[in-house]
Amino acid sequence: NAGVMQNPRHLVRRRGQEARLRCSPMKGHSHVYWYRQLPEEGLKFMVYLQKENIIDESGMPKERFSAEFPKEGPSILRIQQVVRGDSAAYFCASSPFGRGSTDTQYFGPGTRLTVL
Amino acid sequence: KNQVEQSPQSLIILEGKNCTLQCNYTVSPFSNLRWYKQDTGRGPVSLTIMTFSENTKSNGRYTATLDADTKQSSLHITASQLSDSASYICVVAVQTGANNLFFGTGTRLTVIP
Repeated sequence: NAGVMQNPRHLVRRRGQEARLRCSPMKGHSHVYWYRQLPEEGLKFMVYLQKENIIDESGMPKERFSAEFPKEGPSILRIQQVVRGDSAAYFCASSPFGRGSTDTQYFGPGTRLTVL
Repeated sequence: KNQVEQSPQSLIILEGKNCTLQCNYTVSPFSNLRWYKQDTGRGPVSLTIMTFSENTKSNGRYTATLDADTKQSSLHITASQLSDSASYICVVAVQTGANNLFFGTGTRLTVIP
């Protein structure tokens, strides 16, 4: 059973470009979470999705950031018009039952975004 | 304010020695506490999950303790190995609310031969 997969592992963008990060959850998991980790800081929650639904996006900036988890295919975190402050590691996690349980979240290897 | 604080920030120990990492939290209402291990350049991997009623839980050479009254947890690593070098993250979940996981900034452990 493959783990959570993220691609690309490394992404370099110039200011103003779009960044698109992909996450394929573990087989059988329908809950996906995105986190951002700045250097020397802890992970910060961004958004929680189930298939075709955004459950909680309270941690996501109101502008330029969006996320989706379509019925088919991976979850996508999209950052439009990137700025240098968006440089960070973005982690995706998945779980089978969602929040409100002691369900373990399984993390992917992360995508390291560098904005030049 | 919901916060998770870990200490020390970093720690260097000799291979074969034991060590204890600390986590204090002010998160409420408490649901469970998790310890994750994050190798450099990788995603976090779960070590233990403890609910309110659990005082201790082991996973191999890792033993986590929880004191829900004082809102403290510790992670004890026995007979450390070079592969234990990583960041150890304490994560506390609340029972309700929009964002129910609160992450500490981690303790960076380095095991040297």
